[in-house]
Amino acid sequence: DGGITQSPKYLFRKEGQNVTLSCEQNLNHDAMYWYRQDPGQGLRLIYYSQIVNDFQKGDIAEGYSVSREKKESFPLTVTSAQKNPTAFYLCASSIERDGYYGYTFGSGTRLTVV
Amino acid sequence: LAKTTQPISMDSYEGQEVNITCSHNNIATNDYITWYQQFPSQGPRFIIQGYKTKVTNEVASLFIPADRKSSTLSLPRVSLSDTAVYYCLVNQAGTALIFGKGTTLSVSS
Repeated sequence: DGGITQSPKYLFRKEGQNVTLSCEQNLNHDAMYWYRQDPGQGLRLIYYSQIVNDFQKGDIAEGYSVSREKKESFPLTVTSAQKNPTAFYLCASSIERDGYYGYTFGSGTRLTVV
Repeated sequence: LAKTTQPISMDSYEGQEVNITCSHNNIATNDYITWYQQFPSQGPRFIIQGYKTKVTNEVASLFIPADRKSSTLSLPRVSLSDTAVYYCLVNQAGTALIFGKGTTLSVSS
């Protein structure tokens, strides 16, 4: 079955360490996205990539970095510069048809920094 | 970028019909309206999408008036498992989806 895989589901890191969250899709979607969600809040856009080797900052990109070397993969690195990294991270991919972007979301990674 | 406004929360009982209204005053001509459902610690799940008038699928209906400045998601005969957060989004071609806080629907028995 096609879909988006985020791993791991739970991740614990010590403060000051960089950590990379994995996102892989086999839907042949061109665009991929990273969102962050805090308790009781909506999703906030971190980074997005519409094609391989290209990506744009979202609303809260500071302290994060991404790469898009392959169409299927869009890893997110949470750096030590991110002041409050503990959150639920969601990856998504999308494809355009007739002007509409159809989105598929992964199941998320919950990151806890102690 | 169009923004949406929807109620923060709604309460209902099992078996009732629930209507959640969303306003999107700045919607552009080529925008679609999409609703997502999210359960705790899960990714959002697509519910329904429309451009104008009425759209119906196996789980919901979407009503869009002629001016398209608002839309209403209708959930028939809700059950406890429909307790979730519902997001209304307007799709802008070429840009990422921007989520608001959504509407938290609580269904009681």
